[in-house]
Amino acid sequence: DAGVIQSPRHEVTEMGQEVTLRCKPISGHDYLFWYRQTMMRGLELLIYFNNNVPIDDSGMPEDRFSAKMPNASFSTLKIQPSEPRDSAVYFCASRPGTSLGEQFFGPGTRLTVL
Amino acid sequence: DQQVKQNSPSLSVQEGRISILNCDYTNSMFDYFLWYKKYPAEGPTFLISISSIKDKNEDGRFTVFLNKSAKHLSLHIVPSQPGDSAVYFCAASLAGNTPLVFGKGTRLSVIA
Repeated sequence: DAGVIQSPRHEVTEMGQEVTLRCKPISGHDYLFWYRQTMMRGLELLIYFNNNVPIDDSGMPEDRFSAKMPNASFSTLKIQPSEPRDSAVYFCASRPGTSLGEQFFGPGTRLTVL
Repeated sequence: DQQVKQNSPSLSVQEGRISILNCDYTNSMFDYFLWYKKYPAEGPTFLISISSIKDKNEDGRFTVFLNKSAKHLSLHIVPSQPGDSAVYFCAASLAGNTPLVFGKGTRLSVIA
């Protein structure tokens, strides 16, 4: 079975441009999480969904960030407009509702905003 | 305010020796703890976990110890191997399907 799939793996863009990151969770998983990893802050939770419904978006840094989950097999994280300080690795993770906590991570998207 | 802290950003250990990675937490309501391992250009992968009702869990070369009174857990790797070189994240969760809270990670280098 395929793991969590993220695309693109690398994204280089210029300040002010819109960026869309994509995630396909593991089939059957009820929860989907978006994280951002930076040297300074480590792995930060941005937002998570349960059964496609956003549960907690308090980690989203600014209104420039938005996330959607239109169906159980797809989610997007959008940054508009992007800024250099958004440069980081963005991870998507999923887990089944029966899990005690173990999450399965995708390979990440490395975003560079020039 | 960080609820899960890994105070050592890096650790170097010789091959064959024991690696001990430490993690402290502040929220006494956490009831499940996990360690993840991350290689460059990959996502974190689950390594081992422990419930708050236990004080030790072992899986092959990996053992996690939990000291609830000190709000401290540690990961022991014995013997350490060069393939163990990675970043290790400590994570914790509350009961009831809440997200994991991660520490900043410790980079382990196992030297041959």
